[in-house]
Amino acid sequence: DAGVIQSPRHEVTEMGQEVTLRCKPISGHNSLFWYRQTMMRGLELLIYFNNNVPIDDSGMPEDRFSAKMPNASFSTLKIQPSEPRDSAVYFCASSRGTSGRIGQETQYFGPGTRLLVL
Amino acid sequence: QKEVEQDPGPLSVPEGAIVSLNCTYSNSAFQYFMWYRQYSRKGPELLMYTYSSGNKEDGRFTAQVDKSSKYISLFIRDSQPSDSATYLCAMKGNTPLVFGKGTRLSVIA
Repeated sequence: DAGVIQSPRHEVTEMGQEVTLRCKPISGHNSLFWYRQTMMRGLELLIYFNNNVPIDDSGMPEDRFSAKMPNASFSTLKIQPSEPRDSAVYFCASSRGTSGRIGQETQYFGPGTRLLVL
Repeated sequence: QKEVEQDPGPLSVPEGAIVSLNCTYSNSAFQYFMWYRQYSRKGPELLMYTYSSGNKEDGRFTAQVDKSSKYISLFIRDSQPSDSATYLCAMKGNTPLVFGKGTRLSVIA
């Protein structure tokens, strides 16, 4: 199993540019999560999907952030326009479900995308 | 008050020491408690999880939950340099996981 795949691994961009982060969850997993990690705030949940449907996007910081999951094997997180305060490591994670059964809810994380906005 | 509090450290111990990592929480609805380990420049990976109060042991690792005090701990026995990482507690009730900020641990050979 290849695990959760994220691309790019590193992104350096200038303020105002559009940034698109990509994620391929583990095959057969029905839930997908986007997190942001910074030293100051730790790991924050931005949004999660269940069966490709966004369930909770209350963690998305602003309208500049949007996420899509067009199918079970692909998701994107877009920032437009980007700002220096968006600099962080963005993680995607997937799990078999959110049924309440702990074995199914174990989240598997990708390697992250390190984003630097200048 | 944040839902989950975790001392960020850093914590530095000699090889072979017993390590104690802790989190407190405020939401009494939390039922599942997990510990994730995150190596530098990697994603977090699940180390252990528990459902109820009490202890759970896995090799050199013991997870302890005290729901009455809203306090969870992870003990590492005979710590090794390879245990050097950031340890994040995580917990949930009917909502997605809430993570602590993580404690950075260094085990010195």
